[in-house]
Amino acid sequence: AQTVTQSQPEMSVQEAETVTLSCTYDTSENNYYLFWYKQPPSRQMILVIRQEAYKQQNATENRFSVNFQKAAKSFSLKISDSQLGDTAMYFCAFTAPYNAGNMLTFGGGTRLMVKP
Amino acid sequence: NAGVTQTPKFQVLKTGQSMTLQCAQDMNHEYMSWYRQDPGMGLRLIHYSVGAGITDQGEVPNGYNVSRSTTEDFPLRLLSAAPSQTSVYFCASRFRESSPYNEQFFGPGTRLTVL
Repeated sequence: AQTVTQSQPEMSVQEAETVTLSCTYDTSENNYYLFWYKQPPSRQMILVIRQEAYKQQNATENRFSVNFQKAAKSFSLKISDSQLGDTAMYFCAFTAPYNAGNMLTFGGGTRLMVKP
Repeated sequence: NAGVTQTPKFQVLKTGQSMTLQCAQDMNHEYMSWYRQDPGMGLRLIHYSVGAGITDQGEVPNGYNVSRSTTEDFPLRLLSAAPSQTSVYFCASRFRESSPYNEQFFGPGTRLTVL
């Protein structure tokens, strides 16, 4: 079974600055998929960015980018030019083709506060 | 499309009571699942379904039952509620395509408190 660990329960950043959220995972598989989800106070789960393990290029979505280090089993999320609307819980998640139904395994989450 | 809908949004139960959390999707997704969210533990898979009539257990299935009689609906039943089941419950769905890269769509969640 795979596990996902987010070692930072809470973080804060000043508006317009850059912040990096950490995620590590454990798997014996070579082919898998990683995701970052955002959960604002509304509770809605919003997909921020995703990465396929066999792609070496790091995924980027506007102000959000990842640093995917496959050998180290690390998948960090960088938020540039932080905005007040980025205040939320952030969850790292994993799935693999062998997962029945391709269901997700989540980390414990990081609560991010963006300060004005 | 309404997407994934869940009812109720909030519920308070007494220990020993039973109830059903409703989940429906109108996107013709084959895969549906239930997760519970607890502080510091992220979301954990309770049960899932890969199609009508097919269900299976996830990581934390004890105390919960599911059934999938239609593609659209996937209700979660608590047979005898316990305080340990106090949590936020999310339903999710996605297409049964070859790539797990596909996005899962989540409902708005149900906050359940068991006294």
